[in-house]
Amino acid sequence: DQQVKQNSPSLSVQEGRISILNCDYTNSMFDYFLWYKKYPAEGPTFLISISSIKDKNEDGRFTVFLNKSAKHLSLHIVPSQPGDSAVYFCAAIMGVGGSNYKLTFGKGTLLTVNP
Amino acid sequence: EPEVTQTPSHQVTQMGQEVILRCVPISNHLYFYWYRQILGQKVEFLVSFYNNEISEKSEIFDDQFSVERPDGSNFTLKIRSTKLEDSAMYFCASRPGRGRSSGANVLTFGAGSRLTVL
Repeated sequence: DQQVKQNSPSLSVQEGRISILNCDYTNSMFDYFLWYKKYPAEGPTFLISISSIKDKNEDGRFTVFLNKSAKHLSLHIVPSQPGDSAVYFCAAIMGVGGSNYKLTFGKGTLLTVNP
Repeated sequence: EPEVTQTPSHQVTQMGQEVILRCVPISNHLYFYWYRQILGQKVEFLVSFYNNEISEKSEIFDDQFSVERPDGSNFTLKIRSTKLEDSAMYFCASRPGRGRSSGANVLTFGAGSRLTVL
């Protein structure tokens, strides 16, 4: 039951270029989306989020785009830096704001930024 | 910056033994969660906890699992009789509570407890 899909297990980019990580979802009940970054031996760390009522959210080098009709979101990192190398998880929430909140993760994409 | 603290960082146990994983969520958070990640697989939801009771659990969270908040600060996950397939990284997470702001809905995760069942 893969409601949140990250079809690329890995991505490799050069330092300074743009990294684009993609995520697709199947459940139209999701109303909030997040990206988490995870380094080895650490827990997932929140990076950026977007509400389903928006189509773009930007925070410094990170921008998340949401295409609700395509049930697709993407994370853009520009310029990419070697320290961005990590596993990036897409996550989606049902029941935002309520006690029936549930967060579902994708499988993750390993980003490697080469100097 | 407030953080979620988990202990132990790594536990090795024999199959059939009981294990307790401990978590100290962020102090003003109201909702608590356990997730796990088996090596090479995705992070999976186990259970959510609010107002001193389980609000939701996944099908993974069967009778061998239990959670409690014994003293208002700790949040524990107990695995009664461990199996080989319980070997995983277990993450505790918490969030503040109600509302639609990003702050209320972002889970903050601990660094995880690695469980190895032999």
